[in-house]
Amino acid sequence: NAGVTQTPKFQVLKTGQSMTLQCAQDMNHNSMYWYRQDPGMGLRLIYYSASEGTTDKGEVPNGYNVSRLNKREFSLRLESAAPSQTSVYFCASKWFMNTEAFFGQGTRLTVV
Amino acid sequence: QQPVQSPQAVILREGEDAVINCSSSKALYSVHWYRQKHGEAPVFLMILLKGGEQKGHDKISASFNEKKQQSSLYLTASQLSYSGTYFCGTAGANNLFFGTGTRLTVIP
Repeated sequence: NAGVTQTPKFQVLKTGQSMTLQCAQDMNHNSMYWYRQDPGMGLRLIYYSASEGTTDKGEVPNGYNVSRLNKREFSLRLESAAPSQTSVYFCASKWFMNTEAFFGQGTRLTVV
Repeated sequence: QQPVQSPQAVILREGEDAVINCSSSKALYSVHWYRQKHGEAPVFLMILLKGGEQKGHDKISASFNEKKQQSSLYLTASQLSYSGTYFCGTAGANNLFFGTGTRLTVIP
């Protein structure tokens, strides 16, 4: 069981470039989440998906788009990267409301 | 919508106790607690549901007061392995918001 897998692990982008962060889980979880982690800011929710075909905004959705491709995969897209999007991004998933969330190992993104 | 955690940081000597608090301005369905070691992903510790229940995990326990929309994490007889950043998470029907974290350092 791989759990939650994120790719890539590291990425450097130039301002204005676009990229997609990939996340896949093999636990048959319904809900999936994207967070960003910045020093002193904790984990901030960007977008989440309660089930296949649905997505909702979290606290900091501006500058991002998401796709819940199927039950396993939930991708995060930066259309035009900005230095303010330099962060560590975590994907997480869980079965339903009152169950534990499992996290991927994170993607460290630097925008120069 | 982020819950508020306090303190932001705490340093303990081995064997000492600590309490980390979490509060929310919104009604809570449940409260999650996670620990993150440096450079790693957060790892689940426990979840508390409505009813004011307390749960335990080794010498780490927590309480949830749904009326006050608060939760507290209790670490007793701290060990070096307890060092890390602790996050509370507040869950609605489908979302899961985390606080800003409490950095706990245990020294010999």
